[in-house]
Amino acid sequence: KQEVTQIPAALSVPEGENLVLNCSFTDSAIYNLQWFRQDPGKGLTSLLLIQSSQREQTSGRLNASLDKSSGRSTLYIAASQPGDSATYLCAVMEYGNKLVFGAGTILRVKS
Amino acid sequence: NAGVTQTPKFQVLKTGQSMTLQCAQDMNHEYMSWYRQDPGMGLRLIHYSVGAGITDQGEVPNGYNVSRSTTEDFPLRLLSAAPSQTSVYFCASSYTGIDTQYFGPGTRLTVL
Repeated sequence: KQEVTQIPAALSVPEGENLVLNCSFTDSAIYNLQWFRQDPGKGLTSLLLIQSSQREQTSGRLNASLDKSSGRSTLYIAASQPGDSATYLCAVMEYGNKLVFGAGTILRVKS
Repeated sequence: NAGVTQTPKFQVLKTGQSMTLQCAQDMNHEYMSWYRQDPGMGLRLIHYSVGAGITDQGEVPNGYNVSRSTTEDFPLRLLSAAPSQTSVYFCASSYTGIDTQYFGPGTRLTVL
């Protein structure tokens, strides 16, 4: 059974700092890996999707990498801002169209 | 383009009552799915559909029914609510199922 783990569970950083969120998964047989953002009381917003054949994707200040063979992904946030405060969720898409989520990293960026 | 919409936003039920959570999308997506989110456990897949008339079970399907009579709508039915079904429910959709997922705003359900 696929298991997705996110480390750390919570992170508090000062504004302007670069930071890395980690995601690991146990079964490398995946279609893709997606990073989502969730604000309190809201739904999920897709940030980046990395296909299983890709190594990384970039969008603005966000960069996500994927090492499928080792079962790891990282989300790099450059020059963090208070508006980046949210829960970040990692999810892998398995064969059979099933998305398996990690429990998330709660990020707080202090001004 | 409203995206993925869910109703109601909040609901309180008594044990044993039934209800239907509504989900609709206007993006002509073939794939739709339902998740529940519980503290510390992430989101877990309940049921999903790869097109009208086709549904399948996810990780936690017990106590829930679904049907997909149109491309746009994917309702989730609780037949006899239990306190263990207290959760936040999210509906999602995508074109093919293996591309970017679009989530609705969620329904917060409490079962007393």
